Amino acid sequence: SQQGEEDPQALSIQEGENATMNCSYKTSINNLQWYRQNSGRGLVHLILIRSNEREKHSGRLRVTLDTSKKSSSLLITASRAADTASYFCATEHSGSARQLTFGSGTQLTVLP
Amino acid sequence: NAGVTQTPKFRVLKTGQSMTLLCAQDMNHEYMYWYRQDPGMGLRLIHYSVGEGTTAKGEVPDGYNVSRLKKQNFLLGLESAAPSQTSVYFCASSPTGSGGYTFGSGTRLTVV
Repeated sequence: SQQGEEDPQALSIQEGENATMNCSYKTSINNLQWYRQNSGRGLVHLILIRSNEREKHSGRLRVTLDTSKKSSSLLITASRAADTASYFCATEHSGSARQLTFGSGTQLTVLP
Repeated sequence: NAGVTQTPKFRVLKTGQSMTLLCAQDMNHEYMYWYRQDPGMGLRLIHYSVGEGTTAKGEVPDGYNVSRLKKQNFLLGLESAAPSQTSVYFCASSPTGSGGYTFGSGTRLTVV
């Protein structure tokens, strides 16, 4: 069963706009991670946020985590055409040998 | 470039044939994983390993076997391929502490 569920499934925006993707999960976590996948490629790790953190930044990325609501959001600011990709959240649980459970992803299209 | 290397990149099998997917990492990571990705879905864990000589089942292990004879290699075997195993297979590795996964570029397998 999939732990994380992303919302929306697809998002189309203009270059320069911000993109927000949301992720919900069901059980307690050690951390939550976001990955990007370009078409036909492997996944690339973007950012990790621990369960005791509420917000984290990396370049144009901002991730928030609300453990009381079991949800996270990924904000990409000033989007570029090169940001077009699928974005996945993944959760790591206690005692799981660092196994990640992935959501079904958000397909982001940034129009030039 | 350092990272995770998967071979082959593409393969077509007939039902009932066997094959082995190879994964090699050069980052000295203890943990390694095999996932499959199907259209419209996130990644599902097949098997994983927490160290040389150890393997464990993930979410969807049926029809697959794995071996980790050397720390840097993690092999995924299909003994008798079925059309339901048509998928894209990703290998990944991670350190024991905190940090994201490093993924290979994937193997696209079609079983006819």
